[in-house]
Amino acid sequence: QKEVEQNSGPLSVPEGAIASLNCTYSDRGSQSFFWYRQYSGKSPELIMSIYSNGDKEDGRFTAQLNKASQYVSLLIRDSQPSDSATYLCAVNAGGTSYGKLTFGQGTILTVHP
Amino acid sequence: GAVVSQHPSRVICKSGTSVKIECRSLDFQATTMFWYRQFPKQSLMLMATSNEGSKATYEQGVEKDKFLINHASLTLSTLTVTSAHPEDSSFYICSAPLASSTDTQYFGPGTRLTVL
Repeated sequence: QKEVEQNSGPLSVPEGAIASLNCTYSDRGSQSFFWYRQYSGKSPELIMSIYSNGDKEDGRFTAQLNKASQYVSLLIRDSQPSDSATYLCAVNAGGTSYGKLTFGQGTILTVHP
Repeated sequence: GAVVSQHPSRVICKSGTSVKIECRSLDFQATTMFWYRQFPKQSLMLMATSNEGSKATYEQGVEKDKFLINHASLTLSTLTVTSAHPEDSSFYICSAPLASSTDTQYFGPGTRLTVL
């Protein structure tokens, strides 16, 4: 069974700090990796996608992928209270599973003023 | 950016009734859409893949006769929960890739179903 694991948290950081969110996945053949943000009662919102080993930066967000370790992370710099949400890691295996996402259980992030 | 809409946003129904949820891609065509379900404090679980012009493919453990999916056009997929029961109460979310060449999904706003 393909699994995506996240620390459910909650993770609490002060405003302005760096929040670090981690995710591991079991399917070594996974092709695509995503981070979604979900506010309570809302649907997920795409933050980052990453496909190759290394870092990918977009504004305050940096995604890191290490396929050898089957590990993907998200760093949020200069965290703001509005970043408080559940962050979902999602993985796509590719091939015949193209487009299908397997989600982790999510990490609850709280940024306190 | 790409927009996916869902209707209704919230529905309350009596046990035994059927409920239809619509998912529309507003500014792009989607030959494939995905339906997810999210129970409280849990993550999203893929239910089925909706394919335009052909039968949907269901994930293991999802009853295809209970969750009817129709993808009649390139911009509309519908999920019908037949003979709904309280255990079907959940947050139903559809998604669609912006293009067939990408697996980046855009999610609809979701439908909160409550079965009494």
